[in-house]
Amino acid sequence: EAGVAQSPRYKIIEKRQSVAFWCNPISGHATLYWYQQILGQGPKLLIQFQNNGVVDDSQLPKDRFSAERLKGVDSTLKIQPAKLEDSAVYLCASSFTASGNTIYFGEGSWLTVV
Amino acid sequence: QKEVEQDPGPLSVPEGAIVSLNCTYSNSAFQYFMWYRQYSRKGPELLMYTYSSGNKEDGRFTAQVDKSSKYISLFIRDSQPSDSATYLCAMNYGGSQGNLIFGKGTKLSVKP
Repeated sequence: EAGVAQSPRYKIIEKRQSVAFWCNPISGHATLYWYQQILGQGPKLLIQFQNNGVVDDSQLPKDRFSAERLKGVDSTLKIQPAKLEDSAVYLCASSFTASGNTIYFGEGSWLTVV
Repeated sequence: QKEVEQDPGPLSVPEGAIVSLNCTYSNSAFQYFMWYRQYSRKGPELLMYTYSSGNKEDGRFTAQVDKSSKYISLFIRDSQPSDSATYLCAMNYGGSQGNLIFGKGTKLSVKP
């Protein structure tokens, strides 16, 4: 069974530029999450989708971050404009149900903002 | 007080040792408790999850939950150099709130 796919794996951009990350969850998983992991910290939820609807985006900095899951499968996370403090790993995860006791993560997209 | 506290280590042990990793939490509403392993430059990998208080065993790994003390543990028996990684505890409220609240992670090094 294929895991959660993410791209690009690595990205370096200058501050105030924009960047987009793509995620394809495990087949059949209705719930998709984007987490941000800053070096030395545990992952922190940015947004949770159930199919193509948003369940929780309370920790998403909406002035610069946006995410969509238009057809209930793939998802894109965008940052515009990027700040230095956005340097982190952006992890996509998915689970079969919203109760999410088995959440599987992708390899992550590593962002450096210079 | 953070919702989930985890000693970041680093923790260094000799090969074959028993490793004990721990987390405490403050919110008694947490229902599910997980342990993830994260290798350098990789995403977190689910090791185990538990729902109720008590022990759950899977090979060399044992997860323990004590809801009365708000304390969870992961034990690794016969530790191997391949176990060297960061171990993250995580928990959630269940229901529709599936998002995980993570500890900071403990970096473990098993020396041959």
